Amino acid sequence: DIQMTQSPSSLSASVGDRVIITCRSSQTVSGFLNWYQQKPGKAPQLLIYGASGLQSGVPLRFSGSGSGTDFTLTINSLQSEDFASYYCQQTHSFPYTFGQGTNLEIK
Amino acid sequence: QVQLVQSGTEVKEPGASVKVSCKTSGYTFSGYYIHWVRQAPGKGLEWLGRINPNSGGTDFGQMSQGRVTMTRDTSVSTFYLEVAWLRSGDTAVYYCARGGPVAGALDSWGQGTLVTVSS
Repeated sequence: DIQMTQSPSSLSASVGDRVIITCRSSQTVSGFLNWYQQKPGKAPQLLIYGASGLQSGVPLRFSGSGSGTDFTLTINSLQSEDFASYYCQQTHSFPYTFGQGTNLEIK
Repeated sequence: QVQLVQSGTEVKEPGASVKVSCKTSGYTFSGYYIHWVRQAPGKGLEWLGRINPNSGGTDFGQMSQGRVTMTRDTSVSTFYLEVAWLRSGDTAVYYCARGGPVAGALDSWGQGTLVTVSS
């Protein structure tokens, strides 16, 4: 199975900050890397598909990059509603696997 | 709009089975795989598998081998996840999600179904 490792596991930041979350896969997933946001008690929501595609309705301050084994999710100018958990997922090979998550908290 | 509506909370004893439903609407049923994902309390997301809406063919995650069944009823646009031989470690919120057209990303999610396994 492909292991997905996110860093950091938790992060404190302030409104207006720029935040970068990284995701590394144990073997190449090409561009089949997706990012999700999850708020407490809610289902995850897709932010980024195919490493860099912005899902419809997602604010432009979110962006994704990378290919192969190393990927990043960048959030520019953090807003209060961005404080949540973030997960990467590879959809290159079965079983599809998620990273362990990054908990983004208010500083 | 795309909607995935799941069945309600379940409480089961160890060794029992549970069947969770996911009713879809707002899109072409046959065009998209449905995936199942679970999340234990305070933990991360675990991919359980997916089902082809046309053939009913399935691909499973590691946990799912042997204890999980995924089915669909095309007449009511509904998918089902059944987990057998439940144990306490299966306590989780179970989500269905639609596999989108690009990179298979999960672009629409059900609201989740809490399954509690307790004696």
